Amino acid sequence: GNSVTQMEGPVTLSEEAFLTINCTYTATGYPSLFWYVQYPGEGLQLLLKATKADDKGSNKGFEATYRKETTSFHLEKGSVQVSDSAVYFCALKLNSGYSTLTFGKGTMLLVSP
Amino acid sequence: NAGVTQTPKFRVLKTGQSMTLLCAQDMNHEYMYWYRQDPGMGLRLIHYSVGEGTTAKGEVPDGYNVSRLKKQNFLLGLESAAPSQTSVYFCASSYSRAGLNEQFFGPGTRLTVL
Repeated sequence: GNSVTQMEGPVTLSEEAFLTINCTYTATGYPSLFWYVQYPGEGLQLLLKATKADDKGSNKGFEATYRKETTSFHLEKGSVQVSDSAVYFCALKLNSGYSTLTFGKGTMLLVSP
Repeated sequence: NAGVTQTPKFRVLKTGQSMTLLCAQDMNHEYMYWYRQDPGMGLRLIHYSVGEGTTAKGEVPDGYNVSRLKKQNFLLGLESAAPSQTSVYFCASSYSRAGLNEQFFGPGTRLTVL
């Protein structure tokens, strides 16, 4: 089946530090890959996505590159802010036919001033 | 444009009671979904719908029923609540067309079953 594995949190960083959250996947077909973010007390919001190998998704200073050879989609940001504190979910969705999202367990990021 | 809304925001039930969670979307999306979120488990799909009048089981459907009588609404029912159903429930919706199928999430319903 399909699965997504994320690094366990919480990840604690100081403001302006570099962020990496690892995400790897297994898929029965060719997937699109997503990062969603959940701020405290809210629902999930799409942060970025990539639909094919070597695509780079980017938004709000966050980036992730679809690496088919390593089945990975690691999330990075060069300089985090306190407002980036949230839970980040990696997810995949097969491109063929109808399929639903498969989520990782989420990684909490805590940024201190 | 309200997006995806959920009613109620919070609810406390006793074991054996029943309730219905309502999800509404005003984006004319074909697909709608119900997830539950538990600590350390991420989001797990309960049921989903690909159109008015159709529903399908997700990963964890037991103990839940759903209905999609109108395109804009997706109801999740618990007939006899159990403590294991204590969770945060999220509804989401999306277009059906590939490339436009980002899922939009509601704010969630926090349910406690005593």
